[in-house]
Amino acid sequence: ETVMTQSPATLSVSPGERATLSCRASQSVRSNLAWYQQKPGQAPRLLIYGASTRATGIPARFSGSGSGTEFTLTISSLQSEDFAVYYCQQYHNWPLMYTFGQGTKLEIK
Amino acid sequence: EVQLVESGGGLVQPGGSLRLSCAASGFTFSIYAMSWVRQAPGKGLEWVSTIGGGGASSYYADSVKGRFTISRDNSKNTLYLQMNSLTAEDTAVYYCAKDPYGLGSPHFDYWGQGTLVTVSS
Repeated sequence: ETVMTQSPATLSVSPGERATLSCRASQSVRSNLAWYQQKPGQAPRLLIYGASTRATGIPARFSGSGSGTEFTLTISSLQSEDFAVYYCQQYHNWPLMYTFGQGTKLEIK
Repeated sequence: EVQLVESGGGLVQPGGSLRLSCAASGFTFSIYAMSWVRQAPGKGLEWVSTIGGGGASSYYADSVKGRFTISRDNSKNTLYLQMNSLTAEDTAVYYCAKDPYGLGSPHFDYWGQGTLVTVSS
């Protein structure tokens, strides 16, 4: 089973600054990596898929990069609505399995 | 507009059963695989199960295999999760999620708001 490890667990950043979140896979997941944002009391929302493709309606300040085992989600200029928990997720096609990282909480500094 | 609305959650005793439903609208339900993902209180996300668009193929996390059954009724645009032999470790918000393609989609593009299942005596 592929284990996804996110770092840091908590990231404190000021509005307007850049945030960089990391996700590491225990084995290569190629580009089968997605990022989700979750706010308190809400469902997760897809931000990035295929490691670097923004989902529909996601602002350009969100970008994803990486392949294989190392991935990064960058938020270029933090807005107040961006403070949330972010999860990475990988996909394994046989047997079919999805694994999430433990999450990074992005909080206001 | 894609909408996924879960129902059926509630309080159940250990060893009990519960069936969750997810009513889908805004897309051609039968074409897409659908999944259940859960989140224990204060914890992260855990994939539970996925079913293909036609309903013939299904996959489960090891933690629920043999106890949970995913199914769908494409005539009613509804996804189900039958949960048996429930334990406290199954306490979570259960989300239904749409796969963007057929079976084997690498991510989930739409999520419902979730339904809370509490297993306690």
